[in-house]
Amino acid sequence: LAKTTQPISMDSYEGQEVNITCSHNNIATNDYITWYQQFPSQGPRFIIQGYKTKVTNEVASLFIPADRKSSTLSLPRVSLSDTAVYYCLVGDSPGNTPLVFGKGTRLSVIA
Amino acid sequence: DTGVSQDPRHKITKRGQNVTFRCDPISEHNRLYWYRQTLGQGPEFLTYFQNEAQLEKSRLLSDRFSAERPKGSFSTLEIQRTEQGDSAMYLCASNQQGGQPQHFGDGTRLSIL
Repeated sequence: LAKTTQPISMDSYEGQEVNITCSHNNIATNDYITWYQQFPSQGPRFIIQGYKTKVTNEVASLFIPADRKSSTLSLPRVSLSDTAVYYCLVGDSPGNTPLVFGKGTRLSVIA
Repeated sequence: DTGVSQDPRHKITKRGQNVTFRCDPISEHNRLYWYRQTLGQGPEFLTYFQNEAQLEKSRLLSDRFSAERPKGSFSTLEIQRTEQGDSAMYLCASNQQGGQPQHFGDGTRLSIL
């Protein structure tokens, strides 16, 4: 499974757009990129998943360049409730295999 | 919303005791996963089932750990002779085979005295 690297922590003010970048230099052709969000004392929650270019849903956008060696999770206009740990995962057959989590990025949103 | 349910939410026990956790997956999901998470780390895979068959076990799953999913619905994770190092959050997830994202419960937090 491809290893991912993401910042340990980030701070942002409310209302700003937050971009969290994840590096996955060894991503395989069949690998998808998945992001999860985790609040304290809760299980991880699926945010978004993509293979290439751009994916958008009601929560976030995921940008994947052509070489797919990195990806960026974009959270528009964050609020205090977006304070959480965000995990970037890479693996094939999304959802069909056990997930491999890193340490994630701890996002703190400040008023 | 009938998401993944885990019971109990918290368990405090003395070292050497046995503990059992229960996970009720989303009803139509045929795959069920167990993960363990310690403070400051991401979840680590322990084992998973497809229906009642246990398909994979991590090296983290020592002989003191056993998991079952007897009827292909709920699952139990038992830890025998608990040790201090077993203190963690035990997470359960489920999905339907075929590429669906895994949905997690809110875990059982185990504290060993």
